[in-house]
Amino acid sequence: DQQVKQNSPSLSVQEGRISILNCDYTNSMFDYFLWYKKYPAEGPTFLISISSIKDKNEDGRFTVFLNKSAKHLSLHIVPSQPGDSAVYFCAATSTDSWGKFQFGAGTQVVVTP
Amino acid sequence: DAGITQSPRHKVTETGTPVTLRCHQTENHRYMYWYRQDPGHGLRLIHYSYGVKDTDKGEVSDGYSVSRSKTEDFLLTLESATSSQTSVYFCAIRPGEIYEQYFGPGTRLTVT
Repeated sequence: DQQVKQNSPSLSVQEGRISILNCDYTNSMFDYFLWYKKYPAEGPTFLISISSIKDKNEDGRFTVFLNKSAKHLSLHIVPSQPGDSAVYFCAATSTDSWGKFQFGAGTQVVVTP
Repeated sequence: DAGITQSPRHKVTETGTPVTLRCHQTENHRYMYWYRQDPGHGLRLIHYSYGVKDTDKGEVSDGYSVSRSKTEDFLLTLESATSSQTSVYFCAIRPGEIYEQYFGPGTRLTVT
């Protein structure tokens, strides 16, 4: 039973344009959400997070939006750069769960020149 | 750099043999996690630890055991490896005051 879903396995975007990655969750107990970026043959690296008390969090080119009523979050990358080509995972947790995360299956982003 | 190393980085083993993967951290964080990554599944939690000798199961713990006798080391053991355990294994740590986890470089395990 996958509680975190990334329904788009891949996304292709032109350099300089906006990348929008989507993530849906089913567990209403989740109250903390993160995005990770992963290059081949490396471990995932933390990108940005958001608590359920917020609906938006920005860090440079990366913005995460949370819509609790829809159980949906999205990651916006603007402008997209070639180095953003990677697999992006969203993850969710309940803050009283010892930090046990549920991860989505990932979205492969390819930024083209 | 979260100071996490994993060993070995690559391993090929035969079905039925025991395998132990090691995760080592240098910063004495309390929380440590083992995940496996498979296509179409993202990362799935195998076991986690919230202190020395304190461990618990994740969502895919069958066929795996763990031990944590020192803060800095978290071992994952496959008692009798099966082909379904062919995967990439990641260790992660979590500094206790935040929820973000930081991952090691991974171990690619192939069971033939």
